[in-house]
Amino acid sequence: GENVEQHPSTLSVQEGDSAVIKCTYSDSASNYFPWYKQELGKGPQLIIDIRSNVGEKKDQRIAVTLNKTAKHFSLHITETQPEDSAVYFCAASINSGGGADGLTFGKGTHLIIQP
Amino acid sequence: DSGVTQTPKHLITATGQRVTLRCSPRSGDLSVYWYQQSLDQGLQFLIQYYNGEERAKGNILERFSAQQFPDLHSELNLSSLELGDSALYFCASSVEGLAGEQQYFGPGTRLTVT
Repeated sequence: GENVEQHPSTLSVQEGDSAVIKCTYSDSASNYFPWYKQELGKGPQLIIDIRSNVGEKKDQRIAVTLNKTAKHFSLHITETQPEDSAVYFCAASINSGGGADGLTFGKGTHLIIQP
Repeated sequence: DSGVTQTPKHLITATGQRVTLRCSPRSGDLSVYWYQQSLDQGLQFLIQYYNGEERAKGNILERFSAQQFPDLHSELNLSSLELGDSALYFCASSVEGLAGEQQYFGPGTRLTVT
């Protein structure tokens, strides 16, 4: 099955700096890559996603890039703010033919924004 | 607020017992997914339903089962509970449960088995 690796496990950046979180996936059939933000005591919140026919997508301070050849995708957050502190998860999904399988998640990155 | 609701918020029970977790999808969503989140296993997909029918299975134990009712709410049944079943259980929903659809997660149920 699919395997998603996520790095780093913890990332500390100064407020206002950029943060980059990287993921790799194993199955070339994966075609959908969402990113979720999870705050303490809450469920994962979808923040951005990208499909395999697109190389980059941007939404205000957040961007995601996808390299299908290398099976890498990354989350970029610019001008970080204290409210960006949370655990971020990347995920991948495969269309198995009858519909979607569930998402396969990375282990998460704890992003800490230092004031 | 994603629009997905889950009850109860917390559940404490003993080993060997059986519990039922409940999920209501966002209005208009026909597909429901169940996930388990634990410190050692991370977030793992358990099972997916679409309009009352099972569509996909992940790492769901035989002691666990789920169903989706005509009003589209779903229940996850966990039986013969073990200490290792202590985890957060999330429900997510999407419109048609197809590949590449956005999944929206509920707030979760925290299960503690003692």
